[in-house]
Amino acid sequence: GAVVSQHPSRVICKSGTSVKIECRSLDFQATTMFWYRQFPKQSLMLMATSNEGSKATYEQGVEKDKFLINHASLTLSTLTVTSAHPEDSSFYICSAGGQVGNTIYFGEGSWLTVV
Amino acid sequence: GNSVTQMEGPVTLSEEAFLTINCTYTATGYPSLFWYVQYPGEGLQLLLKATKADDKGSNKGFEATYRKETTSFHLEKGSVQVSDSAVYFCALSDRAGNQFYFGTGTSLTVIP
Repeated sequence: GAVVSQHPSRVICKSGTSVKIECRSLDFQATTMFWYRQFPKQSLMLMATSNEGSKATYEQGVEKDKFLINHASLTLSTLTVTSAHPEDSSFYICSAGGQVGNTIYFGEGSWLTVV
Repeated sequence: GNSVTQMEGPVTLSEEAFLTINCTYTATGYPSLFWYVQYPGEGLQLLLKATKADDKGSNKGFEATYRKETTSFHLEKGSVQVSDSAVYFCALSDRAGNQFYFGTGTSLTVIP
């Protein structure tokens, strides 16, 4: 079946640095990818919709200059957390789909810890 | 607009008990419905889905039936196991799959 791969699965970075998370669709082309953030014991919060070849669409309250999203190809979207702060520590999940039987598939998620 | 309302947790059951997690939705048109599961420390996995009314999705002993008349997609399992302990998310997507809506998630703990 369709697989979405996310990397890295865990990352620790220093406050003030930037960190990039990759999301790849391994066996299908994804014109649209989604980025979510999950706080402990809470549901998923949609951060932005990433469209191949165009600018991402951010949800209200999400800082586009802080969470840079690039969707350069049909199989890769990246989320860069710039100038990270400890409050950015969270679980970030990407998803892709819509073309594969109308199903959304999720990456494994990335645990970001900012120290 | 589209939305998903999911039974609040947490839910604690004994092993081999019957499980029901309620999910109702509001949608325009004919959405697809999904259940996703998140095991501790892991990402989301698709558990089952249904794409049209009266479809039944099933996987790993779990079942859910797309009920258009009651706008529901309740998750059921006849006999839960400790390994079923996880958070379960009900979700809806529009026909194109471009909009995706999650319920708030229901945490399930199964005790031996």
